[in-house]
Amino acid sequence: DAGVIQSPRHEVTEMGQEVTLRCKPISGHDYLFWYRQTMMRGLELLIYFNNNVPIDDSGMPEDRFSAKMPNASFSTLKIQPSEPRDSAVYFCASQNRARSNQPQHFGDGTRLSIL
Amino acid sequence: AQKITQTQPGMFVQEKEAVTLDCTYDTSDPSYGLFWYKQPSSGEMIFLIYQGSYDQQNATEGRYSLNFQKARKSANLVISASQLGDSAMYFCAMREGTIIQGAQKLVFGQGTRLTINP
Repeated sequence: DAGVIQSPRHEVTEMGQEVTLRCKPISGHDYLFWYRQTMMRGLELLIYFNNNVPIDDSGMPEDRFSAKMPNASFSTLKIQPSEPRDSAVYFCASQNRARSNQPQHFGDGTRLSIL
Repeated sequence: AQKITQTQPGMFVQEKEAVTLDCTYDTSDPSYGLFWYKQPSSGEMIFLIYQGSYDQQNATEGRYSLNFQKARKSANLVISASQLGDSAMYFCAMREGTIIQGAQKLVFGQGTRLTINP
């Protein structure tokens, strides 16, 4: 079975540009999560969706960040305008059903560098 | 207060030895789940093992086991017969609350970098 698929794997762009990260969750999974990983702050949850509906976006750092899930098989995380401090690894994860023993399955991440 | 504390930033172990990675957690919720993930140098996050707060027995998955001490709020990961491929970052994470919408967040510790020496 295919896992969570993220694209691109690496992104290098200049400050001020719009960045779009993409995620395809595992088919049949009800939950989708976006995380950011940095050395200073570790793994932080940005936002998560249940059945395509955003449930908790309290981790989104500021209005420059937005996330959408137009259907069950696709989600985007956008940063506009991007800043150097947004440089991080961004992970997407999905989960099957709201049961306590279900793990989140992570994609390989997008390594984002803002120059 | 930190929800998840991993006190060992780095550990060095000889190949074939057993290793214990520490994790303590803080919650007042009687219902919670604890997860361990492995992150190799290639960057992906790999789920290893799960322990529920109501589970009577310690979880085991192959060479991985959890030393779950509920009263002490600790959930240490034990890797038996370590291998070179076990070298990685290891993260402990907790999910609090009952199974309702909005109770699916995982909080991660800062991780422990494990190095297995030949």
